Amino acid sequence: DAKTTQPPSMDCAEGRAANLPCNHSTISGNEYVYWYRQIHSQGPQYIIHGLKNNETNEMASLIITEDRKSSTLILPHATLRDTAVYYCIVRLTGSSNTGKLIFGQGTTLQVKP
Amino acid sequence: DAGVIQSPRHEVTEMGQEVTLRCKPISGHDYLFWYRQTMMRGLELLIYFNNNVPIDDSGMPEDRFSAKMPNASFSTLKIQPSEPRDSAVYFCASSRRHEAFFGQGTRLTVV
Repeated sequence: DAKTTQPPSMDCAEGRAANLPCNHSTISGNEYVYWYRQIHSQGPQYIIHGLKNNETNEMASLIITEDRKSSTLILPHATLRDTAVYYCIVRLTGSSNTGKLIFGQGTTLQVKP
Repeated sequence: DAGVIQSPRHEVTEMGQEVTLRCKPISGHDYLFWYRQTMMRGLELLIYFNNNVPIDDSGMPEDRFSAKMPNASFSTLKIQPSEPRDSAVYFCASSRRHEAFFGQGTRLTVV
């Protein structure tokens, strides 16, 4: 699975959009981009995933560049409860072959009042 | 569904003892993952199964660790003998194709 690079930490003001970047320059054509987050002492929580198109759900939006070498997770209106470690993961996902789900160091997002 | 269920939530054991961690995945999920998390090493994938078959156990630290999945609704991670450096939070996760759901974890302390 391709490796990802994320900034170790970011701050965001409550109510503002949080934009978390991720570089995955060695991603291959059949690898998806996934985002998870981990709130202190809980298990990681799935947020969103995408292949090449931008995606949006009730939690966040995922913007993937056209060359697929980087992506941005957007939390449109960050709250204090969004303070967590955010992980960007690239993973082979197919109908018959699905790869490992490998977590890097992630980005610690601190939402401040 | 109650989600991924792990037991026990906390385990304190003495060095040299056998420890067994348990996981019940979400019904219908065909992938099961075991992770270990420490401050120093972060979240490490130990092993994962597909349809009860181990696919990749390259993350298992040494022979003291073993994992089984006898059926689709149950998996165990065993450490024998346990050592203080095994102290960590152990997570189990299950998924179908995309979204993986994690349990609350087992906090293991080996003294």
